[in-house]
Amino acid sequence: AQSVTQLDSQVPVFEEAPVELRCNYSSSVSVYLFWYVQYPNQGLQLLLKYLSGSTLVESINGFEAEFNKSQTSFHLRKPSVHISDTAEYFCAVSSNRDDKIIFGKGTRLHILP
Amino acid sequence: DAGVIQSPRHEVTEMGQEVTLRCKPISGHDYLFWYRQTMMRGLELLIYFNNNVPIDDSGMPEDRFSAKMPNASFSTLKIQPSEPRDSAVYFCASRPGPDRYYGYTFGSGTRLTVV
Repeated sequence: AQSVTQLDSQVPVFEEAPVELRCNYSSSVSVYLFWYVQYPNQGLQLLLKYLSGSTLVESINGFEAEFNKSQTSFHLRKPSVHISDTAEYFCAVSSNRDDKIIFGKGTRLHILP
Repeated sequence: DAGVIQSPRHEVTEMGQEVTLRCKPISGHDYLFWYRQTMMRGLELLIYFNNNVPIDDSGMPEDRFSAKMPNASFSTLKIQPSEPRDSAVYFCASRPGPDRYYGYTFGSGTRLTVV
């Protein structure tokens, strides 16, 4: 069975500071990994995904995540956050053996002025 | 494409009443998923369909919940009778095919309040 652990339920960070949102997964098979973002009162949107190949994946708005197989992690980073990044971020895992995507409980990112 | 469309956006109902939530997936998407989001439990998968057929309903809380997909462009999630603990945001999501790496496209959700 697969599982996802997001280690922080909330992360406060000052505007223009760097941020890292942590995600660890558990799976006995090869995985696909995702980060979704949920802005207030909206549905989830796919931010980026790791399928295979390069372990560093990037989104169009400056976020990046690195797949680390040995540490079973897929942490999300941004070198400089903006107030518009205020949202909840969900890490998720899937595999080629399961139709379902398993979501973590989310990390709420608070941008401080 | 208009994306995944859910209705209503908000629903307030009294305990014991029947509630029906609706979802229109993206055209051509063969998979449809229903999730429930609460502060305590996060995102829970309730049920999912492939080509209109229910594949896994193990997440449906109890017999009060039922879901149907009569055709490729429409699905409903029904709660009868509703209870205050059913209050949550219900999301519908769709995916274009069996390849799990596509990820999902989510609707904007229905916020259900049962009083």
